[in-house]
Amino acid sequence: QKEVEQDPGPLSVPEGAIVSLNCTYSNSAFQYFMWYRQYSRKGPELLMYTYSSGNKEDGRFTAQVDKSSKYISLFIRDSQPSDSATYLCAMRGNTNAGKSTFGDGTTLTVKP
Amino acid sequence: DAGVTQSPTHLIKTRGQQVTLRCSPKSGHDTVSWYQQALGQGPQFIFQYYEEEERQRGNFPDRFSGHQFPNYSSELNVNALLLGDSALYLCASSRTGSEAFFGQGTRLTVV
Repeated sequence: QKEVEQDPGPLSVPEGAIVSLNCTYSNSAFQYFMWYRQYSRKGPELLMYTYSSGNKEDGRFTAQVDKSSKYISLFIRDSQPSDSATYLCAMRGNTNAGKSTFGDGTTLTVKP
Repeated sequence: DAGVTQSPTHLIKTRGQQVTLRCSPKSGHDTVSWYQQALGQGPQFIFQYYEEEERQRGNFPDRFSGHQFPNYSSELNVNALLLGDSALYLCASSRTGSEAFFGQGTRLTVV
């Protein structure tokens, strides 16, 4: 079983919809939780990162971490066609950045 | 700021050959991590370099090796290429207190 499991998708929503992307994990040592966006054939782009449990908001994006349930989510409000991409969750322990464990990604398509 | 740059962008090699991929970190970053991303999967950690030494390593065979230079740039070497080594190879740079930033990757195809 993988340390990080991500809802596989694909996910297709109309423009303006609220999108929910989710990951579960099994390693209690994970302390930092990240969401990356990856366009086709490109490198991942860091969207948000959160330390420990709680919520973090940045514009249309909200990241939630529930360490008691080992569950993290990314919400996208007012989704746009430009949000169409693969979203990767990633997490790591309280060590240096760079060695992270990733989910396999959820591919999102936002239709105009 | 040029960000993380990787070269080459694409590469085609034959089974059994050796390949070298290169990475220049983001300005101010001193740590370089390498990942392998197979099609439809998330990136898998290969190893990390800091102060010119391998600091951490993932579950990859010794055919995968690397190097970091005094200017913090890095190389990933893969020997005796297998068809299964075909993937997008990603370099990520970071420094203490920052999260990792990824380059655009090198797409390696082994035929």
